[in-house]
Formats: sequence, C-alpha cells, structure tokens
Amino acid sequence: DAGVTQSPTHLIKTRGQHVTLRCSPISGHKSVSWYQQVLGQGPQFIFQYYEKEERGRGNFPDRFSARQFPNYSSELNVNALLLGDSALYLCASSFTMGGYTFGSGTRLTVV
Amino acid sequence: QQQVKQSPQSLIVQKGGISIINCAYENTAFDYFPWYQQFPGKGPALLIAIRPDVSEKKEGRFTISFNKSAKQFSLHIMDSQPGDSATYFCAASTTRGDDKIIFGKGTRLHILP
Repeated sequence: DAGVTQSPTHLIKTRGQHVTLRCSPISGHKSVSWYQQVLGQGPQFIFQYYEKEERGRGNFPDRFSARQFPNYSSELNVNALLLGDSALYLCASSFTMGGYTFGSGTRLTVV
Repeated sequence: QQQVKQSPQSLIVQKGGISIINCAYENTAFDYFPWYQQFPGKGPALLIAIRPDVSEKKEGRFTISFNKSAKQFSLHIMDSQPGDSATYFCAASTTRGDDKIIFGKGTRLHILP
C-alpha cells in the first residue's frame, strides 16, 4: 500500500521566487492537510482540504495558497519566498476528518 | 500562543528503562490527543492516541495517561530500546471544525545501549 507521497523531496529556491509542492494522498483518502515544520519545532498547520473544499487555514500569510484536485491530490503554493520559509513541508491525508497519515515531506531551502 | 506545552525538550534513558514525556494543553475544546514519533528525514508517524473520556490507554510498551481536570497527559515508554530513539510530539485537535492538529515542540529521546 502506497503511503502519502510528496514531491519533490528536496528543493532549493532563491528569495522572491515561487514554489509548488505536490502531495498524493493514500488511495481513498479525501482529506488533505499541509503543515510546516521548522527545524527543531513541531509541525504547524497551514491548510486543510476536504472533498476539494478548504476547511481550515492556519496563521500563515496570503503568500501561501493551496488547492485540492478531483483525484484528491493537492498542491501547496508559496509566492515571494523568504528565507524564513525554509522548512520541511508535510502533507497528511485521512479518509475523513482525523487519523492523519503524514508523508515524508519536502525539504525547502530558500537562499 | 502555545496551546500544547511539552517537556522535557530532550531525554536520555538507559536501555530497559522507562521514558516519560509530559504535555499540558489549554483549550478545553480539544477532544483528541495523539502522540507522534518522528525519525530523521521522515514525517511524523502516529504512535498512540487517546480521547478525554478515558484516563489511560496502553498499546504494547506505550501508555498514555490522561488527566482531564489538570489538562495534562503523558507518554510512558516501558522497557525503552535503542530503536525508540527519535523525536516525540504530543498533539491535540478537535475532531469538529477544521480538524487541525496542534503539536508540542517535541522531545528528543535518546536510549543508551
């Protein structure tokens, strides 16, 4: 059984650039959430999507956006990258609300 | 505002000993309290979880103790093994609403062989 898959695994971007991170949930899972994990800290909630609708948004600036596609995969977009956006970005999926399984994340480095 | 406070930040335990990690929460609307284990280069993996209507839950060597009145919960790892060396996060969420998980800052556990 494939788990939550995220791509790319690592990414280096320059300040001011745009980045798109992708997530494929576990087959049959309709809920996808995105988290940011800064080194040495716990993950912080960015977005939650269920059945292609945004159900929750964390305390992140409008530079962060996301969407969920009809096949329940998801994209996280970050515009005008800042050095402080360097982090591990985690995607998690669930069949319904709760009981999330996390992917291994995308390590984003902004230089 | 840190809604879930976790301690200690790091912990060293002898093989075979008991590892204890403590957490406290503020929001009484939380109704689901999971613990996650994270190895370097991996995402967090759900270890064990509890709801506030029970005071203790045990799965193998892992036990959650929950004190609703004190708004505290803890993870006990019995017979700790070197393979348990990882970062552990306590967390809390409400299963109503946006379902977001609030994580503690984590405890780096090292089990001495």
